[in-house]
Amino acid sequence: EVVLTQSPGTLSLSPGERATLSCRASQSLGNPYLAWFQQKPGQAPTVLISVASRRVAGIPDRFSGSGSGTDFTLTISRLEPEDSAVYYCQQYGGSPPTFGQGTKVDIK
Amino acid sequence: QVQLQESGPGLLKPSETLSLTCTVSGASIRSDYWSWVRQPPGRRLEWLGFISTGESPYYNPSLGGRFTMSLDTSKNQFSLRLTSVTAADTAKYYCAKGRTLPDSWGHGTLVTVSS
Repeated sequence: EVVLTQSPGTLSLSPGERATLSCRASQSLGNPYLAWFQQKPGQAPTVLISVASRRVAGIPDRFSGSGSGTDFTLTISRLEPEDSAVYYCQQYGGSPPTFGQGTKVDIK
Repeated sequence: QVQLQESGPGLLKPSETLSLTCTVSGASIRSDYWSWVRQPPGRRLEWLGFISTGESPYYNPSLGGRFTMSLDTSKNQFSLRLTSVTAADTAKYYCAKGRTLPDSWGHGTLVTVSS
């Protein structure tokens, strides 16, 4: 199965700063079926990005996804206090679908 | 807007069988794919499988053969059954809409396996 490794483990940034989250796959994804989720404490994950770069309806445009092959990135261009959460990547083109271990974003 | 709500026992003993139900509102379970995801404490999310009408359920092949998923279209519910539970099955279990990309999730239910 495809193992997804996210880095860094934790990001501590101030409001207005830019956050760059990485997701690396153990093997090349032959398709762009890579998603990003946001999970706030005590809540279920919500999908932000699908097919590597397509923002889900209703998600602010400060969230953007990019990448292909083995390297994918989630960028939050201008952090807001409500962006404090754990972010997970998921590949859903391979069997089985797998998730990364998460990156925690703290807003100072 | 689709809403999902998990229900089931919070505590089981090792070797018992876990049965969870997901009640769906705002959509018909006849018309989409439905899946289960779990999250053990402090660990990453784990996709368990999906089910839909007109298609056999598909289970995560990395997890062995202890899982069974089913649909109850009369109640607009779907279910997960996990046999011979161990402490390793302690997790928050989520039901979700979607085949391999869960795009709407329930709030989750915590299941603890302990003697």
